[in-house]
Amino acid sequence: NAGVTQTPKFRVLKTGQSMTLLCAQDMNHEYMYWYRQDPGMGLRLIHYSVGEGTTAKGEVPDGYNVSRLKKQNFLLGLESAAPSQTSVYFCASSLLTRAGVINEQFFGPGTRLTVL
Amino acid sequence: AQSVTQPDIHITVSEGASLELRCNYSYGATPYLFWYVQSPGQGLQLLLKYFSGDTLVQGIKGFEAEFKRSQSSFNLRKPSVHWSDAAEYFCAVGPFGNEKLTFGTGTRLTIIP
Repeated sequence: NAGVTQTPKFRVLKTGQSMTLLCAQDMNHEYMYWYRQDPGMGLRLIHYSVGEGTTAKGEVPDGYNVSRLKKQNFLLGLESAAPSQTSVYFCASSLLTRAGVINEQFFGPGTRLTVL
Repeated sequence: AQSVTQPDIHITVSEGASLELRCNYSYGATPYLFWYVQSPGQGLQLLLKYFSGDTLVQGIKGFEAEFKRSQSSFNLRKPSVHWSDAAEYFCAVGPFGNEKLTFGTGTRLTIIP
């Protein structure tokens, strides 16, 4: 199993450009998440999904959109990139057990995005 | 709303010395608690988790953590650190039945010879 993979690993954008980050997991997990990590701020949840075709806003959703058309993929889009979106982006997934317990989240290796 | 505080931004420890990283949480009921480790340039890896039962939990790489309800704490410990333990450590909390975790701001661990 590859676990959680993210594409691309690095990207440099100019202000106003758009891009899509791809997250894929091969563990058949129901839940998927997008975080951003900034120095001194830990991980902040951008958007998440509790299943195919569903998405929900997290703590810092502004400027981002997401889609979960297939269970194994979760896409994060930036329609018009801004320098404030320079960050490291992590995708994660987790499994919902039959008892309703949310297990730990499994993380991808991250995408380092710079917006000039 | 739940919250997590990691009061130590940066800790330096000598190789072979013991380690304790602090984590305090705020939540009304019994939370689900996690410790993750992030090596430079890498994603987060789960060290250990607490859901219920024995309040002392063992994790990977020789780490353990103790849940203390009275102190709202979930501190991470290791008896003897190795140079490879140098990384950033994150504590996270999530309530039962909620799919979202709240992460602390992290503690960066430096190991000196």
